[in-house]
Parts: sequence; C-alpha cells; structure tokens
Amino acid sequence: NAGVTQTPKFRILKIGQSMTLQCTQDMNHNYMYWYRQDPGMGLKLIYYSVGAGITDKGEVPNGYNVSRSTTEDFPLRLELAAPSQTSVYFCASSNGALDYGYTFGSGTRLTVV
Amino acid sequence: EDKVVQSPLSLVVHEGDTVTLNCSYEVTNFRSLLWYKQEKKAPTFLFMLTSSGIEKKSGRLSSILDKKELFSILNITATQTGDSAIYRCAVRSGGGADGLTFGKGTHLIIQP
Repeated sequence: NAGVTQTPKFRILKIGQSMTLQCTQDMNHNYMYWYRQDPGMGLKLIYYSVGAGITDKGEVPNGYNVSRSTTEDFPLRLELAAPSQTSVYFCASSNGALDYGYTFGSGTRLTVV
Repeated sequence: EDKVVQSPLSLVVHEGDTVTLNCSYEVTNFRSLLWYKQEKKAPTFLFMLTSSGIEKKSGRLSSILDKKELFSILNITATQTGDSAIYRCAVRSGGGADGLTFGKGTHLIIQP
C-alpha cells in the first residue's frame, strides 16, 4: 500500500519557469490537500479538493493552480515560478471522517533561483 | 482567522526526562485537534482529539484536550533519542476548507 506518493522529491526552477508537482493516493480518499512548509513556520494550506472535479482555494493559493480529474490524482501547478515559492510542498489525503488523521506524502523540496 | 499556538518552540532535555508540549487554539467551528510527529520528511499522525478530558495514549505518548480552555497537551514520558523531532499541533475547523491550521511546531531534542 503506497499511501500518498509525491514526485519529484527535489527540483530547482529558474524564475518564470513552470512545473507540476504530482500527487497520487491509492486509499480511495475523497479529500486531498496541498500544503507548503516554510522554515520556522507551520504548514499552510494552498488548495484542497473534496472529490473528483471539485477544488477550492486554501490560505495561500496565489501563484498556484490545481486540478482533480480523478480521485487518485491531485497535481499542483506553478505557472511562473518566483523565489517566494521556494518551500517544501506536502500533499495529503483523508477520508473526511472525524476520527481519521491525514496521510501525508514525503514532500517535494522546491528551490526557485 | 484560525490560530494555533504551540509552546515551547524548542526544548532540549536528557534521555529519560518527561516532557509536556502545549498547544492552544482559536478557531471557528472546532472539529478536532491533531498531533503529528515530523522527523526528516512528512508529518506522521499521532493522535486525533475531539472530546474534552479523554486521554489518548500510545506507548509513552499521551494527549488530552480541554475544549473549554482551548488547549491540548502532548506528554512524552521516559524520553528516548528517537523522540527527537518537531511535534506539530493542528486544528481542523468546520470552515469551507476542511483543511488543518497548523502551529509552528515544537522542536524537541533529546540528548543522550
């Protein structure tokens, strides 16, 4: 059981480049999330999805886009990378039940130079 | 705006000591409070608390929630070097995002 899988693990982008962070889960979870983690800060929610075809903005959505065409996949797109987007990105999923914690992917470390 | 504050931000103790980590929160429509342990990679789930006064326990770790005073504590007894990590508290609210608001974490270092 793979859980939540994120790729790539590391990436360096130049300012203005675009990329997609991939996230897939095999637990049939309806809820999926993207967080970013900056040094010394808590995780901040970028976007979330409550099911295939449904996405919504979180706390810090600017500069990002998402799609959810299937239950399994929730890619995060950066269109014009900026140095402020240098961070570690975590994808997470849950089944939405009150007594269930979130399962996190192993993270993607992104540096924009 | 939902807010989660953890204290202390960092803590250094010796193996065998007992530690108490604190988490206070201000959120609308509280649903649950979660504790995570984060070592080098992603946070791993420890506990989810939804009711006041009911202790959750797993080995040397335990946690309790006080919904009246809006805080939770995480206790670790007989600490070991493997307990060194960042411990994160997060609160799940009933707002539209259904995501979590995380505190900044407590960086716990256990010295041999």
